[in-house]
Amino acid sequence: GDSVTQMEGPVTLSEEAFLTINCTYTATGYPSLFWYVQYPGEGLQLLLKATKADDKGSNKGFEATYRKETTSFHLEKGSVQVSDSAVYFCALSGKAAGNKLTFGGGTRVLVKP
Amino acid sequence: GAVVSQHPSRVICKSGTSVKIECRSLDFQATTMFWYRQFPKQSLMLMATSNEGSKATYEQGVEKDKFLINHASLTLSTLTVTSAHPEDSSFYICSASAGAGGRMSNQPQHFGDGTRLSIL
Repeated sequence: GDSVTQMEGPVTLSEEAFLTINCTYTATGYPSLFWYVQYPGEGLQLLLKATKADDKGSNKGFEATYRKETTSFHLEKGSVQVSDSAVYFCALSGKAAGNKLTFGGGTRVLVKP
Repeated sequence: GAVVSQHPSRVICKSGTSVKIECRSLDFQATTMFWYRQFPKQSLMLMATSNEGSKATYEQGVEKDKFLINHASLTLSTLTVTSAHPEDSSFYICSASAGAGGRMSNQPQHFGDGTRLSIL
């Protein structure tokens, strides 16, 4: 079945540092790929998405590129802020799965001033 | 756009009580709604998928008589935890999507802010 693997956290960074969170997936066909962010005590917010190979999703300074050859969707941000502290979830949605999301385990990011 | 409202945000109640959680899509029609459970510092576990006007599809291991799901309209789904016990304490999150497969299957899910359920 479909699966998503993302790097375990916590990831601790200083403000203005470069952030990368690795995400790889296993799926049949051509899934859509997503990054969601969860702030403490809240639900998930869609951060960005990509629906086909080589698409780049971007939002709020975050980027991720759909790499079919490496089955990856790594999240990057060039200069993090304290407000970026949150848990980040990589996810995929396969057409065969009826729009269900398969989540990775989540990566907690802590940005220190 | 694509706002999902979940209510209540927090519930504390005694063991044996039934608790209803509402999930509303405020500015779009949600063909499909999903209910998740999240344990502390863990990922989301899909409990069930509901399509408007039909019975929910439960994931393996989820008791459908324990977790009653109703999706009576395109903007409202409810999850009722019946006769709740301390082991049901958790963070429950709903999401809504305008897609239900086919050409709409790339529609993203939009999440509510979650309900923290504490059973004493």
